[in-house]
Amino acid sequence: DVKVTQSSRYLVKRTGEKVFLECVQDMDHENMFWYRQDPGLGLRLIYFSYDVKMKEKGDIPEGYSVSREKKERFSLILESASTNQTSMYLCASKGQATNEKLFFGSGTQLSVL
Amino acid sequence: AQSVTQLGSHVSVSEGALVLLRCNYSSSVPPYLFWYVQYPNQGLQLLLKYTTGATLVKGINGFEAEFKKSETSFHLTKPSAHMSDAAEYFCAVIFDTGGFKTIFGAGTRLFVKA
Repeated sequence: DVKVTQSSRYLVKRTGEKVFLECVQDMDHENMFWYRQDPGLGLRLIYFSYDVKMKEKGDIPEGYSVSREKKERFSLILESASTNQTSMYLCASKGQATNEKLFFGSGTQLSVL
Repeated sequence: AQSVTQLGSHVSVSEGALVLLRCNYSSSVPPYLFWYVQYPNQGLQLLLKYTTGATLVKGINGFEAEFKKSETSFHLTKPSAHMSDAAEYFCAVIFDTGGFKTIFGAGTRLFVKA
């Protein structure tokens, strides 16, 4: 079965900490995405990557960075976590065709105290 | 600006009743359209999608959606709701100029009453 795996289901961090969220896919997909999900706001795109070492800003990139050193792995980095970054973070991947569906991981619920 | 609007953050229906979840997009060029579902404590999964061709699209679990270009809508329906349909539903769009970006609506939580 195809999989997108996020390293942690729940994470609690303190304000100012550097936070790494990891995502691995086993489908050889070129495209990977990081979204955050907040009640009433749906999913908002933070960053995406269409190839190794390539990245593009989404709609809400402020306070985040990403890394894609290998095709299967896409990391989201919070350089200095803040309380307004408490959220559910979802990783997704998809193949090359524009109309292909997204495959989602099960999410990481991050709480910043 | 290109956007996706879901009317109603919460919808409540009785078991066996019609389910109608509304989605509208803003674009002069028809985009690619999707509905995703998120069951409690699970990740999102695809329910159905419209790309080209027939405007009535059938998905999993008895759901279907109709693309209406004149109304810029892609509403999701199911003739008879089941308790297991209780979930959050997201309309999603890839605009032609957006490349690989999938834009999501705010979501509609469906409650099904016995």
